[in-house]
Amino acid sequence: KNEVEQSPQNLTAQEGEFITINCSYSVGISALHWLQQHPGGGIVSLFMLSSGKKKHGRLIATINIQEKHSSLHITASHPRDSAVYICAVRFLLSGSARQLTFGSGTQLTVLP
Amino acid sequence: NAGVTQTPKFRVLKTGQSMTLLCAQDMNHEYMYWYRQDPGMGLRLIHYSVGEGTTAKGEVPDGYNVSRLKKQNFLLGLESAAPSQTSVYFCASSLRTSGPQETQYFGPGTRLLVL
Repeated sequence: KNEVEQSPQNLTAQEGEFITINCSYSVGISALHWLQQHPGGGIVSLFMLSSGKKKHGRLIATINIQEKHSSLHITASHPRDSAVYICAVRFLLSGSARQLTFGSGTQLTVLP
Repeated sequence: NAGVTQTPKFRVLKTGQSMTLLCAQDMNHEYMYWYRQDPGMGLRLIHYSVGEGTTAKGEVPDGYNVSRLKKQNFLLGLESAAPSQTSVYFCASSLRTSGPQETQYFGPGTRLLVL
């Protein structure tokens, strides 16, 4: 079964801390996405990865294809980073739909 | 550009009532999607469209119908609402389904409560 697992489910950090959110998947993929869901509900795409590493501001996303694992790092965390972070993958055998399979999300709370 | 918009933002229905959720995008995207989001679960695909006039079933299509008469609009219909359809519904669109342009752009969501 094609599955996406995120850990931890909930994470509380103090402002300034380095944060890591993990995503593991069961079988081969063609792409992995990290998304952010704001407290108001809106969802925005942060990164799309098929290999290696990407960086945008204080956010860094890495992927290890062999280990079927990706991490999202936040450096110098800030209360405005508080959100749900969602991992989604496009499995190689997703058929003609090429649909994404989503993890259940990691709720991050950054305290001032 | 407005991006992806959804109407309504919130709706309460009684069991058995029908309604239509409207999604509109102004990015000239070919692909459009309807998802539902339930507590503790990832987003699940209800139906999707690969272009004007075409629709297909996703992971959880039962109880829903869709139409895409115009490229910019994707409608989700509930013919006879059930309490199990209480959820937050998101519409999304993308230019492609692979490569750098497969990023999906999401609407703000519609919160639906079925009593």
